[in-house]
Amino acid sequence: GNSVTQMEGPVTLSEEAFLTINCTYTATGYPSLFWYVQYPGEGLQLLLKATKADDKGSNKGFEATYRKETTSFHLEKGSVQVSDSAVYFCALIRSSGGSNYKLTFGKGTLLTVNP
Amino acid sequence: NAGVMQNPRHLVRRRGQEARLRCSPMKGHSHVYWYRQLPEEGLKFMVYLQKENIIDESGMPKERFSAEFPKEGPSILRIQQVVRGDSAAYFCASSPRVTPNTGELFFGEGSRLTVL
Repeated sequence: GNSVTQMEGPVTLSEEAFLTINCTYTATGYPSLFWYVQYPGEGLQLLLKATKADDKGSNKGFEATYRKETTSFHLEKGSVQVSDSAVYFCALIRSSGGSNYKLTFGKGTLLTVNP
Repeated sequence: NAGVMQNPRHLVRRRGQEARLRCSPMKGHSHVYWYRQLPEEGLKFMVYLQKENIIDESGMPKERFSAEFPKEGPSILRIQQVVRGDSAAYFCASSPRVTPNTGELFFGEGSRLTVL
C-alpha cells in the first residue's frame, strides 16, 4: 500500500538558517506529492505540490522536487523565519485508478524557529 | 469568506458516552472528508461523503462510528460508546469537486476528543 515517511521532529532552528525536512514515499504507480502546513491553532493548508517526476513545487520560499529515482520529496527553505514555525506534513495521492481522492500523510514534523 | 468550520474544538467524554463532531464545509463545497490523527501518527483517511451519500467509508472502524452529510446542515461524525483509544484529533476537509491529482483539500482546525 501507499505510505509516507518523513523526518522525525521536532526541528529547532535559528532565524535565517537553512531548512530541510526529508520525506520519502512508497506508492504504486505515479502519485502526486504534497506538503501541507499547520500553523498553531489553524487547520492544515496546502503549501506546495508536484504531480510528476522532476517537477518542483514552490511557495513562500519553500521548495520541493519530485525525485522518482529516490522516491523522495524533501522540503527546503534557504532562510527560515519565526513565522515558519508550524507542523509540516508530507502527503501523496494516487494519480489513477480508484480512491484517487485519499491523501496518505506522514506523521508530521514540528518546526520551531527562534529569533 | 468562512473556511471549514468544525465544532466543538475540544470535547471530553467518559467511556461509554457518545461523541458528535460537526463540520460545515466551505461555501460551495459539496465534498467532505474526515481524517483522524492519533497521537504520534499522521492523519488517516476515514470517510468521504457527498451530500446525502457516503462514497467511501473504508477508513472507518466497522463498529461504533458513523458519518452523514445531510442535504441541509453540517456533516456529522458520530462515535457511540467511546473508548480511550478514540482519543484523537478529528479533521474535516472539503473540496468543491473530487480532486484527483490536485490533492488540495481545505481543512478545518480539528476537533480534539479526549475520552476519560
